[in-house]
Amino acid sequence: DIQMTQSPSTLSASVGDRVTITCRASQSISSWLAWYQQKPGKAPKLLIYKASSLESGVPSRFSGSGSGTEFTLTISSLQPDDFATYYCQQYNSSLPLTFGGGTKVEIK
Amino acid sequence: QVQLQESGPGLVKPSETLSLTCTVSGGSISSYYWSWIRQPPGKGLEWIGYIYYSGSTNYNPSLKSRVTISVDTSKNQFSLKLSSVTAADTAVYYCARLPVYYDFWSGWNYYYYMDVWGKGTTVTVSS
Repeated sequence: DIQMTQSPSTLSASVGDRVTITCRASQSISSWLAWYQQKPGKAPKLLIYKASSLESGVPSRFSGSGSGTEFTLTISSLQPDDFATYYCQQYNSSLPLTFGGGTKVEIK
Repeated sequence: QVQLQESGPGLVKPSETLSLTCTVSGGSISSYYWSWIRQPPGKGLEWIGYIYYSGSTNYNPSLKSRVTISVDTSKNQFSLKLSSVTAADTAVYYCARLPVYYDFWSGWNYYYYMDVWGKGTTVTVSS
């Protein structure tokens, strides 16, 4: 299985901050990576696919980058609605599909 | 737009079979892959498996011996059965759609991330 490791597990930030979350894969997954946002009691919401493609309707302050084994999700200016948990997911050709452990973005 | 809704018992006894259905509305189940994902209380996401509308499946090896996913295109539904459940199977269960794009040059292209999710249903395993 491809292991996905996210860091940090928790992040404290203020409105307006630039926030970066890292996701590392245990082997190369090219650009086959997605990012999701999950709020308490809600289903995950797709933000980014193919490492850097923004899903329709997602604010442009969200961006993704990386390839191979190291990826980042950046929020350019944190908004009150962005406090949530973020997950990465690899969808390389090898199964199973796997998720990172999550990064909780908290209010500082 | 496409919406997904999970349904099924919220309480299942240990050793019994968990059965859930996902109803697809606002679009056809055809031409897509459909998936089940679960999330134990306070924990992360775990992929269970997916099914193509034609019926072909792939499961997480960690659950493969206990999982069956099926599809009923006439009802625009797909289902999950998980046998011999224990307390470790207590979780929120989500159904989701995997996207497909058509390209004039390469044809149908399938991608194995989830672009549409149901709201989730909580299943507790307890006697």
